[in-house]
Amino acid sequence: DVKVTQSSRYLVKRTGEKVFLECVQDMDHENMFWYRQDPGLGLRLIYFSYDVKMKEKGDIPEGYSVSREKKERFSLILESASTNQTSMYLCASSLLTGSTEAFFGQGTRLTVV
Amino acid sequence: GEDVEQSLFLSVREGDSSVINCTYTDSSSTYLYWYKQEPGAGLQLLTYIFSNMDMKQDQRLTVLLNKKDKHLSLRIADTQTGDSAIYFCAETSQIFGQGTTLQVKP
Repeated sequence: DVKVTQSSRYLVKRTGEKVFLECVQDMDHENMFWYRQDPGLGLRLIYFSYDVKMKEKGDIPEGYSVSREKKERFSLILESASTNQTSMYLCASSLLTGSTEAFFGQGTRLTVV
Repeated sequence: GEDVEQSLFLSVREGDSSVINCTYTDSSSTYLYWYKQEPGAGLQLLTYIFSNMDMKQDQRLTVLLNKKDKHLSLRIADTQTGDSAIYFCAETSQIFGQGTTLQVKP
């Protein structure tokens, strides 16, 4: 059974903290993605990676960075968390770029207080 | 640029049919997808259609594709309370609509 696993379901962090969200996939997929999901705004792409050590900015990269040191792991980093980064964060992976199915993790609900 | 648009909310009664609509801009997509997100969970692929097809049926689900108008729809027959979820239309693995919340009333 294919799997994308996010390290936490729920996180509460303080303003100004550095936050790491981890995502691991076991399907040997080339592409990995980080989205945030907010009511009425759907999924917004933060960053994606099409290979180890490669990254591309998505639609809303400000305030975030990413790391992909190994093919199976893609980390999202909030350098200095702010309250407007309170959201649901979803990780996904896909085999190829473009018209292929995405597999999603269960999501991390982050609250910044 | 590439864009996918959906209405945000649909409410139906149990047993009725639901139709969720989507418009897209990129005509080069090989497949178009529908994902379902249940409360508190990630997205799961529900169904997809190859771009050279007009219709695909899978049990209670019917996908209709109008390439000329760049319009995609998902019809759920005999809608059940367990179908209550957010439904996302997608062109590729990274271009998604805003999601349509389907509310099914008993």
